[in-house]
This record gives sequence, structure tokens and C-alpha cells, in this order.
Amino acid sequence: IAGITQAPTSQILAAGRRMTLRCTQDMRHNAMYWYRQDLGLGLRLIHYSNTAGTTGKGEVPDGYSVSRANTDDFPLTLASAVPSQTSVYFCASSSSAGTDTQYFGPGTRLTVL
Amino acid sequence: GQNIDQPTEMTATEGAIVQINCTYQTSGFNGLFWYQQHAGEAPTFLSYNVLDGLEEKGRFSSFLSRSKGYSYLLLKELQMKDSASYLCAVMDSNYQLIWGAGTKLIIKP
Repeated sequence: IAGITQAPTSQILAAGRRMTLRCTQDMRHNAMYWYRQDLGLGLRLIHYSNTAGTTGKGEVPDGYSVSRANTDDFPLTLASAVPSQTSVYFCASSSSAGTDTQYFGPGTRLTVL
Repeated sequence: GQNIDQPTEMTATEGAIVQINCTYQTSGFNGLFWYQQHAGEAPTFLSYNVLDGLEEKGRFSSFLSRSKGYSYLLLKELQMKDSASYLCAVMDSNYQLIWGAGTKLIIKP
């Protein structure tokens, strides 16, 4: 069982380009999350999905969009990347929304130049 | 606003005991999580406290006082592999996790 996979592992992107970060889980978890992690700051929630077909905004949603067409996949799209979106992005999932433990993917390191 | 405070960095000796503190001010409280994160890796779950008191799990224990907005993670018999960042996170009234910036723990032989 792979758990949660993310792709790509790392990416360097020119400002203004569109980019989709992929996230797939095989645990049949209902809830999924996207976080960004920046040096000196705690993880910040970008978007979340409590169940397939629904999404919600987190603390820092601007410049990002998500979709949840099925249980397993939760892609994060940067429509027009800016340097301030340089960060490490983690996808996570939990059995259900609420107090269930969140399990994290290996992360994507994104650099926007 | 919501705030989670933990020390930026701590140093301890192999075989010793270390206590990592976390204080929080959040809108609502639905539990407190501790995660471990090795450099360049994903956070991994360590513990969850929702009631006051101490939860023990092997070499790691976690304590919660809701009235004081305070938790600590206690690591015993420190090993070199315990060198990592330890993240404190509180689940708020919207069931969203609010994360501290993490405490980098350095273990010296």
C-alpha cells in the first residue's frame, strides 16, 4: 500500500506559468487537504475536501484551485504562478473530516522564478 | 487571532529526556496533535490529546491542560534518530488544524 503519493517531487517554474500538483491516495480516505510549508511558519491550509465532489477554502487559498472528481485524487492548480508561491506543498488525507488523524504525502518542492 | 507557540530550537543529549512545550490560543478546541518531521520528509503522526492529562506511548508522552492552553511532548531515552522537528497543531472550532512553526530538536552524542 503506497498511502499518499505526490508528483512531481520537485519543480522549477517560470512566473506566469500554470502548474498542477498531483496527489493520489489509496486508503479510501474521504477527506483530503493541501498545505504549504514555509521556513519559520507553520503548515498553512490552502484548500480541503471533506468528500468527493466537495471542496473548501483554507487559510491561504488565493492563487490556487482544487478539484475532487473522485475519492483518490486531489490535484492542486496554480493558474499563474508567482514567486511568493515558492514553497513545499504537502497533500494529506484522513478517514473523515474532523478529528481523524491526517496522513501526509512526501511533498512537492516548488520554486517559482 | 489564532496562535500556536513553541520554541524554535532545542538541544539535548543522547539518552536524556527532553520536554517540548506548546501553548495555544485558538477559536475553539477539538484536540491537539503532535507530529514529527525529519528534514526533507513529510510530517508523521505522534499523538492526539483531547482530554486533560498525560498520554504515554512508548518513549513518547504527551500532556494537555485545556484550561491553561498548554501541552508538552516528552521524549525519553533520546536516540540520534529523534533529531527532527516536532510540530504542535490544534484543531479549531471549524475542525481545521492550526499549526505551530515547529521545534527543531538537535540530539548530541
